[in-house]
Amino acid sequence: GQNIDQPTEMTATEGAIVQINCTYQTSGFNGLFWYQQHAGEAPTFLSYNVLDGLEEKGRFSSFLSRSKGYSYLLLKELQMKDSASYLCAATSGGSYIPTFGRGTSLIVHP
Amino acid sequence: ETGVTQTPRHLVMGMTNKKSLKCEQHLGHNAMYWYKQSAKKPLELMFVYSLEERVENNSVPSRFSPECPNSSHLFLHLHTLQPEDSALYLCASSDGLAGHSSTDTQYFGPGTRLTVL
Repeated sequence: GQNIDQPTEMTATEGAIVQINCTYQTSGFNGLFWYQQHAGEAPTFLSYNVLDGLEEKGRFSSFLSRSKGYSYLLLKELQMKDSASYLCAATSGGSYIPTFGRGTSLIVHP
Repeated sequence: ETGVTQTPRHLVMGMTNKKSLKCEQHLGHNAMYWYKQSAKKPLELMFVYSLEERVENNSVPSRFSPECPNSSHLFLHLHTLQPEDSALYLCASSDGLAGHSSTDTQYFGPGTRLTVL
């Protein structure tokens, strides 16, 4: 089976930087997704990491370390609209369907 | 704006009712999924269809019955549900089966908020 762990809740200040961590334990790991979900809305795709390293997309970056079973999502220049739940999901060979963590609720305050 | 639509957005039903959730994707994708999202729990995969054939069924109770008449439509038929089935039911689609590559990203619909009384 797969085990995915991420913090339940985080708070940060507008304009700051926040890092949301995700650790996973899975056999035959393929890659790791990050999704953003605003309250009452659908999850939307942010990133998919397969190789080690940092991938940057504007204010959002995602990092993966396959050897450590660890990923993080980095959000820069936080805006109020970034308040949302951030879902980490891992895929593994054999079952290529993502397995999701519980999500991290990020609250951005002025 | 999402290419995946779901109806109804909200549904309240009694335990003896029969209802259906509908999902439609306008993205030309080949795979469709049903997920259940309960408060404080991870997204739970329920069913996966690829090219209209069910490829995965995660031990879901028989009171949930999926139907995929074509690659654009997915239904979830509900009957004799329990109060613990109250949750947000999300539909998703992807070009290929998710996880093979970043191009197989899942696109989610807005969900149906189901309350079982």
